[in-house]
Amino acid sequence: GQNIDQPTEMTATEGAIVQINCTYQTSGFNGLFWYQQHAGEAPTFLSYNVLDGLEEKGRFSSFLSRSKGYSYLLLKELQMKDSASYLCAVVSGAGSYQLTFGKGTKLSVIP
Amino acid sequence: DVKVTQSSRYLVKRTGEKVFLECVQDMDHENMFWYRQDPGLGLRLIYFSYDVKMKEKGDIPEGYSVSREKKERFSLILESASTNQTSMYLCASSLQGREQYFGPGTRLTVT
Repeated sequence: GQNIDQPTEMTATEGAIVQINCTYQTSGFNGLFWYQQHAGEAPTFLSYNVLDGLEEKGRFSSFLSRSKGYSYLLLKELQMKDSASYLCAVVSGAGSYQLTFGKGTKLSVIP
Repeated sequence: DVKVTQSSRYLVKRTGEKVFLECVQDMDHENMFWYRQDPGLGLRLIYFSYDVKMKEKGDIPEGYSVSREKKERFSLILESASTNQTSMYLCASSLQGREQYFGPGTRLTVT
């Protein structure tokens, strides 16, 4: 079976740094995606990790440890527009087309 | 820019009606997906397709069917709508092994 856990909600202050964790237990692993979803909108792609380590993309970074079944999304210099839900999704099994999504973390950025 | 479009943003149907949700993508992607998204449950995969006329069940296919007659178009069909199918429906497409691009979603209400 597949199990992906993320915190339900987080609050952080504008200008600060926030780390959103994701742990997974899946029957196979072929990569992990992070998506951002603003209220009432479609998810949009943020990052993809398939190997261990940190991937940096501007203010956003994503980290993966396959041995620990763990990933995090790091958001720096938070802006009000970063208030959104952040979805962790795992591709399980070589050649698999499917993503299994976590329930998402709703981040609120406050002044 | 990848564009995924869905036929309606909002739809209201009566219990027992047959409902068609259409999705079109313009980037020649092999893979297309249908999800539903409900509060507290996250994104759940209903069906996906990795080629024309091919379809695979996702995690929650009961009560749904799909059709993919052309590469760019993937339809979700509710044979006899029920109130528990009231949800946000999201279509997505991707190249093999790459990130998924989502449409704007259809909010379906079944009364």
